[in-house]
Amino acid sequence: DQQVKQNSPSLSVQEGRISILNCDYTNSMFDYFLWYKKYPAEGPTFLISISSIKDKNEDGRFTVFLNKSAKHLSLHIVPSQPGDSAVYFCAASERGGADGLTFGKGTHLIIQP
Amino acid sequence: SQTIHQWPATLVQPVGSPLSLECTVEGTSNPNLYWYRQAAGRGLQLLFYSVGIGQISSEVPQNLSASRPQDRQFILSSKKLLLSDSGFYLCAWTDLAGGGLRSTGELFFGEGSRLTVL
Repeated sequence: DQQVKQNSPSLSVQEGRISILNCDYTNSMFDYFLWYKKYPAEGPTFLISISSIKDKNEDGRFTVFLNKSAKHLSLHIVPSQPGDSAVYFCAASERGGADGLTFGKGTHLIIQP
Repeated sequence: SQTIHQWPATLVQPVGSPLSLECTVEGTSNPNLYWYRQAAGRGLQLLFYSVGIGQISSEVPQNLSASRPQDRQFILSSKKLLLSDSGFYLCAWTDLAGGGLRSTGELFFGEGSRLTVL
């Protein structure tokens, strides 16, 4: 039973345009959502998070939107840059995350020049 | 500042051989520690987590085991590796007593260990 789903294995976007990565979840007990970025052969690094009591969080070029009724969140990157090419994981936690995060399968974002 | 290290970075092992991956965290005390595996097409899968010395919770039944002999040391082991154990193993930590981290569950990951079982 996959509780966090990223249905697009890959996404190709032109440099300078907006990248939109999507994530759906099924567990209504999740209260925090996070996005991680991962380069090959490296550990994931935290990008941005959002609490379930909010519907938007912005940090520079990165914005995360949360639609609780649809159990859907998205990560917007604008403008997209070549260094953004990586695998992006959506993750969720409940009860403060003591027992770990639940991750999606990831979306490979490719920024084309 | 806090740092996390895991080793070895790469490992090629024959089927049936033992495994030991080690992870240490510096700059914090009593962290929650986690082992994740990234296998092809399966995202990041939580294998074990530990909230204290000698306390291990297993999320996925398998032939792997974990131990936490010291506060900031987390070891992933196997007595006999299977082909399906191949993957990229990641150690992570969080400090739930750290105020802000408690509210997000943000994890900090190590560099990863690539295991290939032949």
